[in-house]
Amino acid sequence: SQTIHQWPATLVQPVGSPLSLECTVEGTSNPNLYWYRQAAGRGLQLLFYSVGIGQISSEVPQNLSASRPQDRQFILSSKKLLLSDSGFYLCAWSVRGLGGYTFGSGTRLTVV
Amino acid sequence: SQQGEEDPQALSIQEGENATMNCSYKTSINNLQWYRQNSGRGLVHLILIRSNEREKHSGRLRVTLDTSKKSSSLLITASRAADTASYFCATDDTGRRALTFGSGTRLQVQP
Repeated sequence: SQTIHQWPATLVQPVGSPLSLECTVEGTSNPNLYWYRQAAGRGLQLLFYSVGIGQISSEVPQNLSASRPQDRQFILSSKKLLLSDSGFYLCAWSVRGLGGYTFGSGTRLTVV
Repeated sequence: SQQGEEDPQALSIQEGENATMNCSYKTSINNLQWYRQNSGRGLVHLILIRSNEREKHSGRLRVTLDTSKKSSSLLITASRAADTASYFCATDDTGRRALTFGSGTRLQVQP
């Protein structure tokens, strides 16, 4: 069956520290992959999406970057975190041509 | 960029009542989807309605789509306390590669 793993679940990091969040998908090949961020009580903001290995599209200029080193692995990174990077980060995947997204359980990032 | 907006922002009802949430959007879409999010968790896909469809049912869920008004509604019938969650609409916009999400409706179902 198809599953998505996202970790860690929670993370507290000091300002200026690096970040690496990882997301892996099982049970499907060549998925579209997405990183979204959700502020408290708000909707989801698209950060990055990827349609294949090494193919990353950025939606919003920011302090973050993404990489897709393998077909089913999507990594969100930052070299130096800002307070404004705090939020709930969600990874998702979809199959091309089909509509629904499957989301991971999310990472709650607090930058202090 | 287009943004789906849900209405109301918050809704509190009694168990057994129906809950209706609305979503408006601004541009052309391929389809519109509804998702549910329990507090602090990831989103779960509920239902998808394509731009050439007007109504769709799934269990206690009924979704309508009016592309002339660029709006959609989600009806949950005979609500249960377990339906308490936030509900988001998301649009698959033509010419865009990822879903655009609205700000959500927080539904509280009182037992």
